[in-house]
Formats: sequence, structure tokens, C-alpha cells
Amino acid sequence: KAGVTQTPRYLIKTRGQQVTLSCSPISGHRSVSWYQQTPGQGLQFLFEYFSETQRNKGNFPGRFSGRQFSNSRSEMNVSTLELGDSALYLCASSSGQGGSGANVLTFGAGSRLTVL
Amino acid sequence: AQKVTQAQTEISVVEKEDVTLDCVYETRDTTYYLFWYKQPPSGELVFLIRRNSFDEQNEISGRYSWNFQKSTSSFNFTITASQVVDSAVYFCALSHRQGAQKLVFGQGTRLTINP
Repeated sequence: KAGVTQTPRYLIKTRGQQVTLSCSPISGHRSVSWYQQTPGQGLQFLFEYFSETQRNKGNFPGRFSGRQFSNSRSEMNVSTLELGDSALYLCASSSGQGGSGANVLTFGAGSRLTVL
Repeated sequence: AQKVTQAQTEISVVEKEDVTLDCVYETRDTTYYLFWYKQPPSGELVFLIRRNSFDEQNEISGRYSWNFQKSTSSFNFTITASQVVDSAVYFCALSHRQGAQKLVFGQGTRLTINP
């Protein structure tokens, strides 16, 4: 069973540019959530999508956005990049529904973004 | 508001020693879920355990054990007879309802096991 796949693994951008990160969840998982990890702020929740709808959102500016497709794959976009957006962006998937394992997240290896 | 505190930023021990990672949480919810995740150098977070607020039974899985105490709002993690492969960053996390994908993480504890 394939895990959560994130692409690209590494990327370098300059301030003002935009970036799109992709996440393919585990087959059968309908929920995808995104987290930002930085040395200063730690792991912070960005947003969650379930069946193509944003179900929850963290406290990030509107420059951070996402979407989910009908096959549950998800993308997140960051526009007008700032130096502080340099981080490891982690995607996680789960069934997203009720049940004992509902909120056990399986994480991908992340996309490491460096903004120069 | 929910908050998770892992006061130990870094721990370094010699192989075969026992080590306990502390986790203290804050929440006003009566129903909540606690987690431990491991982050090896490769980057992905690996799920270790989930506990709900109504289940205070301690759990043992091989060399790993967890002690959940609601009275002190703590969910501590002990590794017995540590091994070099246990070296990683360990995160404690909290969510407020079943199915919730929003986890509130602690700052993590970097554990180094020296041979």
C-alpha cells in the first residue's frame, strides 16, 4: 500500500514568487490536511480538505490556499512568497470519517521550501 | 484554547538506558485525543499511539510505554533499553474530537541515543 506522496521534495523560490505543492493521499483516504513546520513555530495546522471541501483552516494569511480534487489529491499554493515561508510543508491523509482510526494521520515526507 | 508542552527540548542518553519524554497538555474539552509521533531525519511523521480522554489505561508496546494521567494532564512516553535507531524528534499532539485532522503539536523533543 503506497504511502502519502508529496512533490516536489525540495524547491527554492525567491521572494514574491508563488509555489504549488502537491500531495497524493493513501488510496481510499478522503481527508488531506497540511501542516507547516519551522524551527521557530514548530508544527502548525494550515488546512484540511475532505471530499473537495475545506473543512477546517488554521491561522494563516490568505496567501496560503489549497484545494482538493475528486480523486482526493490535494494541492496547496502560497502566493507572494516571503522569507518566513521557508519551511517543511507536510501533508497528511486519513479516512476523515468516524471510527477508531479516524484522526490517525499518515504523513508524507514533506516538501522543503526555501525562499531567498 | 488547546496547548501541548514538551519541556524537554533535547535529551541525550547512552544506548540501553531508559528514557522518558514528558508531555503536558491543556484543553477545556472533556473529549479529546492525544498522540505521539516520531520524526526521523527523513522528515515524515510516524504515528506511534493515540489515546482518547476516556481511556486512562497505560499501554505497552515492546520497548515503548505510555503513561496517561488526566489528574496531571500528562501523557508521558518511555522507551526502555533505548537503541540508536530510536534517535529522532518526538512530538506529542492533541485534537479535540474524533475525526478532527487539526492536531495541536508540542515543540518536540530531540532524542539522541549514543552507542
